[in-house]
Amino acid sequence: DTGVSQDPRHKITKRGQNVTFRCDPISEHNRLYWYRQTLGQGPEFLTYFQNEAQLEKSRLLSDRFSAERPKGSFSTLEIQRTEQGDSAMYLCASSGNEAFFGQGTRLTVV
Amino acid sequence: EDKVVQSPLSLVVHEGDTVTLNCSYEVTNFRSLLWYKQEKKAPTFLFMLTSSGIEKKSGRLSSILDKKELSSILNITATQTGDSAIYLCAEAASGTYKYIFGTGTRLKVLA
Repeated sequence: DTGVSQDPRHKITKRGQNVTFRCDPISEHNRLYWYRQTLGQGPEFLTYFQNEAQLEKSRLLSDRFSAERPKGSFSTLEIQRTEQGDSAMYLCASSGNEAFFGQGTRLTVV
Repeated sequence: EDKVVQSPLSLVVHEGDTVTLNCSYEVTNFRSLLWYKQEKKAPTFLFMLTSSGIEKKSGRLSSILDKKELSSILNITATQTGDSAIYLCAEAASGTYKYIFGTGTRLKVLA
């Protein structure tokens, strides 16, 4: 494992459906981040974990979003009752000192 | 709330030119500043600058941190078409490992 892996790479869903994304970090990294990026913007912080503990969560994150990292390894990000405004690239990163990103999951809500 | 501002928003140059991209930040207790290059997909890491490492260089790319001015620059010399990308700057404050990103500078290098 040489990098951060995200699955799926693309997801198209109907409005109102729930979606779940997975992130597998670089194995020796204990911090894991979720970001959201829309066209023309930089990545927007959503949440981050140190091991299994969720240490910080953006105030912008609605209650429809939840993230877990149950054993301090992989993480999942779930969005419930998706809305068209949730369409974005969801990026996962992991870090020791520097943060490295996965290829992202592009979500389209139709 | 911490803030990162990048300038210019976009830049078009010709191959061989030298470019300087700017990043300024507002943070209560600075810990580190990172530069990334983003092409079509995820950002790829370029440099991390801290109080103990204010200047980094890799090939044609170099970056300097100015803690007094709360800013950083990314220089690219002898630009190539492959340098065309969005360059992102991010900072983290002491006490958190949350990185705040700017909106990026879109660089286009013409052949």
